[in-house]
Amino acid sequence: ETGVTQTPRHLVMGMTNKKSLKCEQHLGHNAMYWYKQSAKKPLELMFVYSLEERVENNSVPSRFSPECPNSSHLFLHLHTLQPEDSALYLCASSQGDTSWEKLFFGSGTQLSVL
Amino acid sequence: DAKTTQPPSMDCAEGRAANLPCNHSTISGNEYVYWYRQIHSQGPQYIIHGLKNNETNEMASLIITEDRKSSTLILPHATLRDTAVYYCIVKGGNQFYFGTGTSLTVIP
Repeated sequence: ETGVTQTPRHLVMGMTNKKSLKCEQHLGHNAMYWYKQSAKKPLELMFVYSLEERVENNSVPSRFSPECPNSSHLFLHLHTLQPEDSALYLCASSQGDTSWEKLFFGSGTQLSVL
Repeated sequence: DAKTTQPPSMDCAEGRAANLPCNHSTISGNEYVYWYRQIHSQGPQYIIHGLKNNETNEMASLIITEDRKSSTLILPHATLRDTAVYYCIVKGGNQFYFGTGTSLTVIP
């Protein structure tokens, strides 16, 4: 148990569906992250939120829409996805105001787009 | 851009020490080196981090060269449960750069 909880664990959706991934951290951290991991590929950073403000957006298509309503919760809203968006989506949190910081990851959501 | 270089795969006999190398020749003076590992389809797990000095915790040891351009993660007595992908990371700005890592297989 890392203190970062992601739901759902698995998700299958069609290309016309709208779904949301949820992440909750119980660590009192002030930064949260979304990463994407496609099969046999390294983790790709998608979004970074610090103090509930988005500070990084790594050229992610607009069909992915993040939301950070407070420092403990992070959502990734999905709509009109493509089959190539099938991947493991990982949420992480950290305390970002120190010279070094540890990322704590959730178990991820395994997404399949049909 | 990836800031670290690791061998793609390694094998280690169970009970022996696993030594995983990493090159980070462009590291800046105030950047830490972190090691994480990822067991199949789970989130990466923090192992250890360091700046200049060698570090040891209950999971592993981290040896950083004097010029800080490379480091080695040491798992002193590898077990089958240590089979995973190991990532050496240098943090730049807001981003932790995860490269392709080293896939370590511990052999019985």
